[in-house]
Amino acid sequence: DVKVTQSSRYLVKRTGEKVFLECVQDMDHENMFWYRQDPGLGLRLIYFSYDVKMKEKGDIPEGYSVSREKKERFSLILESASTNQTSMYLCATALWTQETQYFGPGTRLLVL
Amino acid sequence: ELKVEQNPLFLSMQEGKNYTIYCNYSTTSDRLYWYRQDPGKSLESLFVLLSNGAVKQEGRLMASLDTKARLSTLHITAAVHDLSATYFCAVDMNSNYQLIWGAGTKLIIKP
Repeated sequence: DVKVTQSSRYLVKRTGEKVFLECVQDMDHENMFWYRQDPGLGLRLIYFSYDVKMKEKGDIPEGYSVSREKKERFSLILESASTNQTSMYLCATALWTQETQYFGPGTRLLVL
Repeated sequence: ELKVEQNPLFLSMQEGKNYTIYCNYSTTSDRLYWYRQDPGKSLESLFVLLSNGAVKQEGRLMASLDTKARLSTLHITAAVHDLSATYFCAVDMNSNYQLIWGAGTKLIIKP
């Protein structure tokens, strides 16, 4: 079974803080994704990575950056958190980019 | 614009009834996914539909794909309370690495 873990289930931060969300997978998948989920909007892709140190912007990359130094680990960074980044953040992995994605439990981030 | 539309977005139904959730998409695709999300939890893959006319069934859920109509359906037969969840469809638009997601259908099944 694929296991995808995220560093925190709930996080409360203040406006302007730097925020790190980490995702770790144990299935040797090449591809990892960061989404945010907001009510009524489905999932929106922030960034994805298809290999170590490789990344591609998704639909809503503004205000976010990512890091993939090791295959199993994909980090999402909010350089200066803002209240409109309050959301549920989901990490996913896939063996190939167009295969089934496996999701982590999510991090619910509240920015005050 | 690449769009995936689900309807209804909210569905409240009684146990034992049948119902269908629809997923329409705006451009050519040969691959469509259905996921389930329980409240407060992450997404779980239900079905992958890979070609026109594909039909997959698991328990009381059956999914089908009509690529010519750009439509997938998720049919629920004799609903039970345990199927209460939010259901998402996601479409591979063939053009890049992304899946395009529907907004989700929140399904509540009352005893």
